[in-house]
Amino acid sequence: EDQVTQSPEALRLQEGESSSLNCSYTVSGLRGLFWYRQDPGKGPEFLFTLYSAGEEKEKERLKATLTKKESFLHITAPKPEDSATYLCAVIQGGSEKLVFGKGTKLTVNP
Amino acid sequence: DAGITQSPRHKVTETGTPVTLRCHQTENHRYMYWYRQDPGHGLRLIHYSYGVKDTDKGEVSDGYSVSRSKTEDFLLTLESATSSQTSVYFCAIRIGLASTGELFFGEGSRLTVL
Repeated sequence: EDQVTQSPEALRLQEGESSSLNCSYTVSGLRGLFWYRQDPGKGPEFLFTLYSAGEEKEKERLKATLTKKESFLHITAPKPEDSATYLCAVIQGGSEKLVFGKGTKLTVNP
Repeated sequence: DAGITQSPRHKVTETGTPVTLRCHQTENHRYMYWYRQDPGHGLRLIHYSYGVKDTDKGEVSDGYSVSRSKTEDFLLTLESATSSQTSVYFCAIRIGLASTGELFFGEGSRLTVL
């Protein structure tokens, strides 16, 4: 059973069309939820850390939020350069291991 | 730039041959990780190290071994490569006192086992 599930698998948006990506998790004792961006042929790039329900983080056109069961990555007025695969990952209590979801591939068309 | 270098970046090998991937960091960060990334599975932890000669297994460690004889280098070895180990391998480091989940990744090593 997957501990981290991301949806949708792929998302196509027009430039300026806002939307949200979802990350649901089933781990107990969440120690942190993390968002990464990955461009083709590159390693993942860290974006945000969220620790507790109600927490929000923002960076440019991206805003990450966290509830007790899921996290959302909101993309406001996206641009083509926001096209990438966005990965969600969690760490549960007592572990040193980061568990990743399978990612959402975002394409933003001009 | 966290100064991570992976080598080789691309390798094609045959089933049954040994393969070693190297991860080199230019700073003295304590934690280093090896992940593999496959379509349909996402990133999965193979092994990690929390200091020189201190390593632990991840979720997909079977068929892999690691060594860390000095702080800057973390080696991943496939003793006898199989086709199921065809993948993209990423090394990552945790910078200083950053959270366990805040990792900096290398550019990846693409391995093809024929």
